[in-house]
Amino acid sequence: KNQVEQSPQSLIILEGKNCTLQCNYTVSPFSNLRWYKQDTGRGPVSLTIMTFSENTKSNGRYTATLDADTKQSSLHITASQLSDSASYICVVSKMNSGGYQKVTFGTGTKLQVIP
Amino acid sequence: EAQVTQNPRYLITVTGKKLTVTCSQNMNHEYMSWYRQDPGLGLRQIYYSMNVEVTDKGDVPEGYKVSRKEKRNFPLILESPSPNQTSLYFCASSPRTSGRYNEQFFGPGTRLTVL
Repeated sequence: KNQVEQSPQSLIILEGKNCTLQCNYTVSPFSNLRWYKQDTGRGPVSLTIMTFSENTKSNGRYTATLDADTKQSSLHITASQLSDSASYICVVSKMNSGGYQKVTFGTGTKLQVIP
Repeated sequence: EAQVTQNPRYLITVTGKKLTVTCSQNMNHEYMSWYRQDPGLGLRQIYYSMNVEVTDKGDVPEGYKVSRKEKRNFPLILESPSPNQTSLYFCASSPRTSGRYNEQFFGPGTRLTVL
């Protein structure tokens, strides 16, 4: 069964500190991996996307890494801000026949940044 | 502004009373999808549509119907809602999925409570 597992489930850090969120997946055949940020009560918004050949991608203070061999990804947040408080969702896509990309969502890591 | 809109945002109803949640996008996207989000389970796909008049079941389609008569609209219909359909619902759209970088754009969500 294709799965996406994230850890930790929740995390509390002090403002200004760094943190790393983990994502392990078994989805195959792999097409791409996205990290989404979901603020409370809102829809998810894409942060980064990586394909098989990419092992790191940055978006401001967010840096995602991908190890396609071990099927692991991480999202590193540098110098955290209060506005980083949100859930971070790892989403892995596989290519089905007909060009449709089947997506599998992780359950997310809930990050709280405190002053 | 490019966006996905959903209505209503909040709805409390009773068991068995038919309801429709509307979804509309102004980005001319071919692909649209409905998800439900429940604590600890992540986002799960209900139905998706590759284009007008083309719809298919996702992972949890039981108790739901959809239609895609126009490209911009993708309503979700609950013919006879039950309490286990109490959830947070998201509509999403994306351009044609032939590429590897398709991004899903999510609506703001509809919180449904079935008593």
